[in-house]
Amino acid sequence: AQKVTQAQTEISVVEKEDVTLDCVYETRDTTYYLFWYKQPPSGELVFLIRRNSFDEQNEISGRYSWNFQKSTSSFNFTITASQVVDSAVYFCALRVNTGFQKLVFGTGTRLLVSP
Amino acid sequence: DVKVTQSSRYLVKRTGEKVFLECVQDMDHENMFWYRQDPGLGLRLIYFSYDVKMKEKGDIPEGYSVSREKKERFSLILESASTNQTSMYLCASSPSVQGLEAFFGQGTRLTVV
Repeated sequence: AQKVTQAQTEISVVEKEDVTLDCVYETRDTTYYLFWYKQPPSGELVFLIRRNSFDEQNEISGRYSWNFQKSTSSFNFTITASQVVDSAVYFCALRVNTGFQKLVFGTGTRLLVSP
Repeated sequence: DVKVTQSSRYLVKRTGEKVFLECVQDMDHENMFWYRQDPGLGLRLIYFSYDVKMKEKGDIPEGYSVSREKKERFSLILESASTNQTSMYLCASSPSVQGLEAFFGQGTRLTVV
């Protein structure tokens, strides 16, 4: 069975602080895909990044960076110099390469960035 | 831009009513999904469709049905709404190519009274 765990329910930081959102996944498949989505107060989930199981390179996009480690089954997300606009719920998700490509989501982490 | 549009942002329905939630996507995606989002539970898959008239049950299909008569449209039906179906409902679509991301609509917050 596939499972995604986001142990941090809510994180509060002050603007300009760095913050890391944790994601741990479980799967027996050797081919799988990991995703991060952002859900702002408007409600729509916004895709941030996709990573496949064969690509362990870390990625940086502006203030965002992702650390994928197969050895610990983790795909953590770091926001550098956080801003108020980063306030949202962030979801980590897993899709395996079998069946009908179901996305399995974690329970989400609510990030509150105060001025 | 990929667009997934849900027909309503907010709905209030009475217990026992038949409720239709509509979703339309404009990217010719093969796959469409209905998720339910509840606090502390994340997103849970209700139903999935990989082609017109084709559907598969997700993790929590009880009390729901779906319809996909056209490729761009995927409807979620609550045959007899109950208060425990009060929730946020999210529609998504994705191409059939393995591993590509899904795109989500803005969500429908349904309240059953």
